[in-house]
Amino acid sequence: DTGVSQDPRHKITKRGQNVTFRCDPISEHNRLYWYRQTLGQGPEFLTYFQNEAQLEKSRLLSDRFSAERPKGSFSTLEIQRTEQGDSAMYLCASSLRHPEAFFGQGTRLTVV
Amino acid sequence: DAKTTQPTSMDCAEGRAANLPCNHSTISGNEYVYWYRQIHSQGPQYIIHGLKNNETNEMASLIITEDRKSSTLILPHATLRDTAVYYCIAPRSSNTGKLIFGQGTTLQVKP
Repeated sequence: DTGVSQDPRHKITKRGQNVTFRCDPISEHNRLYWYRQTLGQGPEFLTYFQNEAQLEKSRLLSDRFSAERPKGSFSTLEIQRTEQGDSAMYLCASSLRHPEAFFGQGTRLTVV
Repeated sequence: DAKTTQPTSMDCAEGRAANLPCNHSTISGNEYVYWYRQIHSQGPQYIIHGLKNNETNEMASLIITEDRKSSTLILPHATLRDTAVYYCIAPRSSNTGKLIFGQGTTLQVKP
């Protein structure tokens, strides 16, 4: 499969715990994005990487959130001290040329 | 970012053309209009984009008015698999390529 892969697909965690999500983009894509989507809403931009450099972060990305893309390949999104409000679908997308971005199927996070 | 306005929901009969409107009256001269769709439980999927001229690809056609204040996405022969939320996006020109999604139009294709 040559699409964008996200792992895990589902995560249930207790409030206060840390979670980490992984995204494997399409191999030749240099641009990588993270979005968050809550029920009934469109996806909201969180952050953008070009190769390994994180070039833009939304103010939605509080200091409990951190994203990395070592070596410009896969990316991880970590949420520390999770809160119930963090419950959402976390989507990763990659692209080679704007504006055609390819999205993964997302990681659904439930904080209980 | 340019604001877009779309109807909340629309119905279409299977086999008929689905015409999804989008208002983007504040769009500036160098801002593209992009369309994505999201089928239930999947990530968004790119459909088409345009600047001034009408565009067509294997999925859809995009008609942009001459004043660029609105556009229409046309699915020429809608199928049940086209049932999805359709997003019209007109972000401010950016080198990052980030997308600003609104709430979109929920298209229900009915048999």
